[in-house]
Amino acid sequence: QKEVEQNSGPLSVPEGAIASLNCTYSDRGSQSFFWYRQYSGKSPELIMFIYSNGDKEDGRFTAQLNKASQYVSLLIRDSQPSDSATYLCAVRDRGSTLGRLYFGRGTQLTVWP
Amino acid sequence: DVKVTQSSRYLVKRTGEKVFLECVQDMDHENMFWYRQDPGLGLRLIYFSYDVKMKEKGDIPEGYSVSREKKERFSLILESASTNQTSMYLCASSRPQETQYFGPGTRLLVL
Repeated sequence: QKEVEQNSGPLSVPEGAIASLNCTYSDRGSQSFFWYRQYSGKSPELIMFIYSNGDKEDGRFTAQLNKASQYVSLLIRDSQPSDSATYLCAVRDRGSTLGRLYFGRGTQLTVWP
Repeated sequence: DVKVTQSSRYLVKRTGEKVFLECVQDMDHENMFWYRQDPGLGLRLIYFSYDVKMKEKGDIPEGYSVSREKKERFSLILESASTNQTSMYLCASSRPQETQYFGPGTRLLVL
């Protein structure tokens, strides 16, 4: 069983701060990594994906990948109350041509005004 | 825009009933997935399908079956609903090796 670990939180940051969400994974050969955001009572929606070591930026979001350390993170700059949600890390199974994802249990983020 | 729809947002059933959850996607995706999500346990894969009439068990297939007669439609069947199947059920679809897109979810309560 592939393991994807996230700190469940809750992580609480003030408005305007940087929120840092972390994820580790057990399968060293994993190739693709995804961050989903899930508002309470809603379904997950994709925020970002990253395949290569280093940083990938999209607006206020930056995904960081370090395959040697088996670690992927999501930074949210200038956090807003609307960013309050649960963030799910997902890792693609390298052995599956079907693209199965393994999900962490999520980190709950609260941004207070 | 990718669209994944699920037949019901909320469903209440009695123990022992046969329950059908339907999922339809409009993007001609080959892969479709059924998950359940419970507090503290995260998303758990029940079944997935990579083609019409093809299916694979996920991590928790017991008590469930699936049907994929058409490419756009993937059904989850609870043969005899039990209270421990009360959960949020999420359908997703994707092309092979690409991003999964989720439907809005069905919150099922089994009494």
